[in-house]
Amino acid sequence: SQQGEEDPQALSIQEGENATMNCSYKTSINNLQWYRQNSGRGLVHLILIRSNEREKHSGRLRVTLDTSKKSSSLLITASRAADTASYFCATDHSGGSNYKLTFGKGTLLTVNP
Amino acid sequence: ETGVTQTPRHLVMGMTNKKSLKCEQHLGHNAMYWYKQSAKKPLELMFVYNFKEQTENNSVPSRFSPECPNSSHLFLHLHTLQPEDSALYLCASSQDPGTGQPQHFGDGTRLSIL
Repeated sequence: SQQGEEDPQALSIQEGENATMNCSYKTSINNLQWYRQNSGRGLVHLILIRSNEREKHSGRLRVTLDTSKKSSSLLITASRAADTASYFCATDHSGGSNYKLTFGKGTLLTVNP
Repeated sequence: ETGVTQTPRHLVMGMTNKKSLKCEQHLGHNAMYWYKQSAKKPLELMFVYNFKEQTENNSVPSRFSPECPNSSHLFLHLHTLQPEDSALYLCASSQDPGTGQPQHFGDGTRLSIL
C-alpha cells in the first residue's frame, strides 16, 4: 500500500502544550500534504511540503519531511481547544497528469482546556 | 469555507432506493473528486474528473454512478446499495489536475443504508 500512516492514532494534551504527529509512507512522493477534519465536517488543507523541501512553517504549524526515512511530522505549537480535530497526511504519488492523493487513517487530537 | 457545497448533508435510504448526491464548487477549479470515508479506514478515492472527463475509477462497484455535466458540478447516483456502503461521502476539487494542488473538500453527505 502506498498510503501514509499516521502515528499516534490518538493524542490528548492540555491547552498550551505542543502536539506532534507523525506520518510514514512507503514509496517515493512528489509532495506530502496535511489536512485537518473537525467532527462532522470536510477536510481542510493545512500545508504542503514538496519532496525537495525539508521543513515548512505556517503560523503555529511546522512540518518536516525526511525522504530518506519516508516520514513527515506535523508540530502544532501552543495548542488551543479549537485545534481539537483529526489530522491526516496525504501523499502524492502521481505520475503524468494522473493526480491523486493517498490518505492515512489520521490522528485524533484532543486539546483539553 | 463554502467553496465546495454538498447536498444533502444526511441521507437515509433503503437498499432498493435510487438517490443522488450533489456537489457544487464555486472556486473555478477544473478537477473534482469523490471520496468515501468509513470509520477506522483511510479515505478512499472513488472517482476523479478532470475538465469534465473521468480519469479515474478506483474499482468502484457499478451501483455507484458518477456524472459530471460541467466543471462546477458533480453527482453520484446511487442504486441498490448495500449496508457496507454506509459512510461519509466527500466531494473535493482542485485547481488543475496537476501535481501539488491542494484539494478543497465539502462537508460531505452522511449516508445510511437500512
